[in-house]
Amino acid sequence: LAKTTQPISMDSYEGQEVNITCSHNNIATNDYITWYQQFPSQGPRFIIQGYKTKVTNEVASLFIPADRKSSTLSLPRVSLSDTAVYYCLVGAPHRYGGATNKLIFGTGTLLAVQP
Amino acid sequence: DAGVTQSPTHLIKTRGQQVTLRCSPKSGHDTVSWYQQALGQGPQFIFQYYEEEERQRGNFPDRFSGHQFPNYSSELNVNALLLGDSALYLCASSASWSGPQHFGDGTRLSIL
Repeated sequence: LAKTTQPISMDSYEGQEVNITCSHNNIATNDYITWYQQFPSQGPRFIIQGYKTKVTNEVASLFIPADRKSSTLSLPRVSLSDTAVYYCLVGAPHRYGGATNKLIFGTGTLLAVQP
Repeated sequence: DAGVTQSPTHLIKTRGQQVTLRCSPKSGHDTVSWYQQALGQGPQFIFQYYEEEERQRGNFPDRFSGHQFPNYSSELNVNALLLGDSALYLCASSASWSGPQHFGDGTRLSIL
């Protein structure tokens, strides 16, 4: 499974756009890129998933270049409540014959949003 | 639509004891995975159940075992508890045919 590299921490201010970049040089053809958000003492919360180009939902955008060796999670106009750890993961979401692949988490990026 | 629910939320045990943690998957999901998260670390995959069978296993000893029931709910059992087993235990469910894994808020297990 492809490993990911992301910054250990980032700082931002309320109202700013935050971009967190993740490197995954060994991503496989069937791999998707998935981002999770985790608050202390809570389970990771799914943010967004994509395969190529750009994906957007109500909370974030995911930009994936053509070579797919990196991806960028974009959070528009962050607030204090966006302070959390963000995990980037890559892997095939579905195994042949059923079930889904295990997720391999790194240490994530701690985003600190200040007023 | 209830998400993934886990019980209990907190548990205190002593070394050598056994513990059972429970998980109910999100409605429509048939696959359950268990993760262990130590303080300050990312979650580590323990194992995954699909069609009531263990399908994948991470690097955890046989003291960690599980079960999946016909209604897709699951249990994680840990025998001969060690101090190092203190962690947040997370359950994630998914639909085998599509979609990402969704997590519960975990069971905080403390070993004294």
